[in-house]
Amino acid sequence: GAVVSQHPSWVICKSGTSVKIECRSLDFQATTMFWYRQFPKQSLMLMATSNEGSKATYEQGVEKDKFLINHASLTLSTLTVTSAHPEDSSFYICSARGTSGWDNEQFFGPGTRLTVL
Amino acid sequence: AQRVTQPEKLLSVFKGAPVELKCNYSYSGSPELFWYVQYSRQRLQLLLRHISRESIKGFTADLNKGETSFHLKKPFAQEEDSAMYYCALSGGSNYKLTFGKGTLLTVNP
Repeated sequence: GAVVSQHPSWVICKSGTSVKIECRSLDFQATTMFWYRQFPKQSLMLMATSNEGSKATYEQGVEKDKFLINHASLTLSTLTVTSAHPEDSSFYICSARGTSGWDNEQFFGPGTRLTVL
Repeated sequence: AQRVTQPEKLLSVFKGAPVELKCNYSYSGSPELFWYVQYSRQRLQLLLRHISRESIKGFTADLNKGETSFHLKKPFAQEEDSAMYYCALSGGSNYKLTFGKGTLLTVNP
């Protein structure tokens, strides 16, 4: 159990377009989902914390108008990279925290590789 | 502010040798510490956390509050242990994780 999926697994887009990435908890309800960004050979940097039904909380330095997060249900959160530019190219990873039984544990998705041309 | 430091980017050992991956943290309150592992081409997964005090795949880690450390140890490394290891800290009620930069462990035959 406790599987998190992401879609798409990779995406290539032109500069100036918007890209939506989905994060789903497949077999549990996630009250909280987290979005991370990982640059090559570097660690995960938390971008934002998303609670179902409320606005996301963004980390310092992350543009909320650039990275739109929606957590409309207990099993789905989306990250939309608006007006993407080459510097937005990165590996985006989501994680989900369950409603019960797993305390502070986060379950991670496989990641989405975004390449902006 | 919370910070996690993993001083070694790369660690290479031979099969059967002991291995220790270092992790130090900085946090003013009472933190919860984790080790996550990422095998090649796989997602990040939880290896162990200090509150459960369990041994997973032969790995153990003890929280040393005096030295603010949470080093990961295994007495006899196996080739399948080769992976990227991340130490992470969670503090407060928001469940946010702060990750170290990671240590790439290579276990040679």
